[in-house]
Amino acid sequence: ETGVTQSPTHLIKTRGQQVTLRCSSQSGHNTVSWYQQALGQGPQFIFQYYREEENGRGNFPPRFSGLQFPNYSSELNVNALELDDSALYLCASSYSSGGPSNEQFFGPGTRLTVL
Amino acid sequence: GEDVEQSLFLSVREGDSSVINCTYTDSSSTYLYWYKQEPGAGLQLLTYIFSNMDMKQDQRLTVLLNKKDKHLSLRIADTQTGDSAIYFCAESVTSGTYKYIFGTGTRLKVLA
Repeated sequence: ETGVTQSPTHLIKTRGQQVTLRCSSQSGHNTVSWYQQALGQGPQFIFQYYREEENGRGNFPPRFSGLQFPNYSSELNVNALELDDSALYLCASSYSSGGPSNEQFFGPGTRLTVL
Repeated sequence: GEDVEQSLFLSVREGDSSVINCTYTDSSSTYLYWYKQEPGAGLQLLTYIFSNMDMKQDQRLTVLLNKKDKHLSLRIADTQTGDSAIYFCAESVTSGTYKYIFGTGTRLKVLA
């Protein structure tokens, strides 16, 4: 059983550019959540996808968008990058959604730097 | 509003108990969680408690929930050097839309 993987590990972009981050869920999981973790802060919930539909969203602008594919892999897209978007982006997969027994398994994250 | 707050640092001696505290503001939370993050690693779920429970014990971990005061704590008995990490509390909220809210994290340092 493979765990949650994310790519790339590190990424450097400039302001105004667009970025796509990828996440491969743990085998058998149908739910994926994305988080932004700024340095020294806790993770901030961006959104969650359940069976390819957005199931919940945090306080992030529409330039943060996502996709979940039939194989439950996922993408996070960020348009018009700003300096404050520099952070560690974490994805977490689980089976079903909401309940505590549906433990979220976190990937190692993608470190995005915006110059 | 939605806010989860924690103290930033805690230092204990090996073998002592650690108590990490957390306060939250959203009364519609359904579950509350404790996560551990070690340097360079992802988040690991340690334990969770349903919002209608007062206490949950899981081996060396004890979670206390005071729903009236919106206060959550994690007690680690017989703290070991391997417990040194950042601990996050989090709540899941299902008011209209679903979301997780994490605290700012408490860095626990265990002294040998």
